[in-house]
Amino acid sequence: QKEVEQNSGPLSVPEGAIASLNCTYSDRGSQSFFWYRQYSGKSPELIMSIYSNGDKEDGRFTAQLNKASQYVSLLIRDSQPSDSATYLCAAGTGGYNKLIFGAGTRLAVHP
Amino acid sequence: GAVVSQHPSWVICKSGTSVKIECRSLDFQATTMFWYRQFPKQSLMLMATSNEGSKATYEQGVEKDKFLINHASLTLSTLTVTSAHPEDSSFYICSASPIENTEAFFGQGTRLTVV
Repeated sequence: QKEVEQNSGPLSVPEGAIASLNCTYSDRGSQSFFWYRQYSGKSPELIMSIYSNGDKEDGRFTAQLNKASQYVSLLIRDSQPSDSATYLCAAGTGGYNKLIFGAGTRLAVHP
Repeated sequence: GAVVSQHPSWVICKSGTSVKIECRSLDFQATTMFWYRQFPKQSLMLMATSNEGSKATYEQGVEKDKFLINHASLTLSTLTVTSAHPEDSSFYICSASPIENTEAFFGQGTRLTVV
């Protein structure tokens, strides 16, 4: 059974701080990894994708991938209250666009 | 980004009836679409892979006779929940990609409530 594991949280951080979200995956064959943000009652929204070991930065977001450790993380700098949502980690299996999701980490950014 | 549209966004139906949910790729063709289900406070669970012009591939534990998938064109996949029961109440979401092996774009989701 291919699995993606996340700490469900909630993760609470003050406004302006760095939020660190972590994820591990079981399928060594996975080649693509994604972070989605989901607001309550809404569909997931893609935040970051990462395919190679190392860091990938996009604005306030940095994704990190370590395939040897089967570990993916997302850092959110200068966290804002509007970042409060559930963050879903997903691994691509059988092609980049077939996704296995983690349970999600609920992030709360308080003013 | 690419646009994927789902319809309806919400539906309430009586127990024992069937409900059809549509997933359309509006500005690209998709040979493959995926259907997910999400129960409250849980993550998205992949239900099936919808393949244009051929049978859908279902994940383990998903009843193919209950969740009928039709992918008759390159821009439309439908999911029909047959003989719906209250335990089928969930948030159903589809995804598609404009090109093989690129990021998936999600529809808005369909909130199904069976009473």
